[in-house]
Amino acid sequence: GAVVSQHPSRVICKSGTSVKIECRSLDFQATTMFWYRQFPKKSLMLMATSNEGSKATYEQGVEKDKFLINHASLTLSTLTVTSAHPEDSSFYICSASSDGGLTDTQYFGPGTRLTVL
Amino acid sequence: RKEVEQDPGPFNVPEGATVAFNCTYSNSASQSFFWYRQDCRKEPKLLMSVYSSGNEDGRFTAQLNRASQYISLLIRDSKLSDSATYLCVVLNSGGGADGLTFGKGTHLIIQP
Repeated sequence: GAVVSQHPSRVICKSGTSVKIECRSLDFQATTMFWYRQFPKKSLMLMATSNEGSKATYEQGVEKDKFLINHASLTLSTLTVTSAHPEDSSFYICSASSDGGLTDTQYFGPGTRLTVL
Repeated sequence: RKEVEQDPGPFNVPEGATVAFNCTYSNSASQSFFWYRQDCRKEPKLLMSVYSSGNEDGRFTAQLNRASQYISLLIRDSKLSDSATYLCVVLNSGGGADGLTFGKGTHLIIQP
């Protein structure tokens, strides 16, 4: 149980295009989803927290208009990187939490490798 | 078989005790291994890398057993502040941040 998927696993795009990454909780309802970004050899950086049906809460320094997050249902959140540039190339990971549990555990997706040419 | 498996716990341990937990991985070609610590509703933070020869950082010792495909984390003289979720992370490709696979975490509760 508690499986989280991401799609696509890898994407290569041209500079200036927009890329959408999906995060799905396959067998549980995720009231909260988190989006992380990882740079090489560094810990994960939390980008934003999204609760189903409400606007995402972005961490300081993360551009809301650049990284659009939608959490329209209890099983799906999307991250859209708008007008992507090479510096946006990174590994993006989502996690999902069902909330209400004792441990408030986050279940991580497999990640999406974005390469912007 | 899941790629990275951990006992979710919770492990309830008295303060000062020693606690250990394992993580198994399915990909024999996995190259790098890490333990992350995650506090409730916070982002995971790298606790330590796991080297083939094993490594120690203060009260924390990590070991890798490639033959049996598991890594372990040992915490000695546990403190209340050690209460957290410990995530086992495996890197499957050749470096950078590509191909990270996270386990579901082991929840540790240190009790006074």
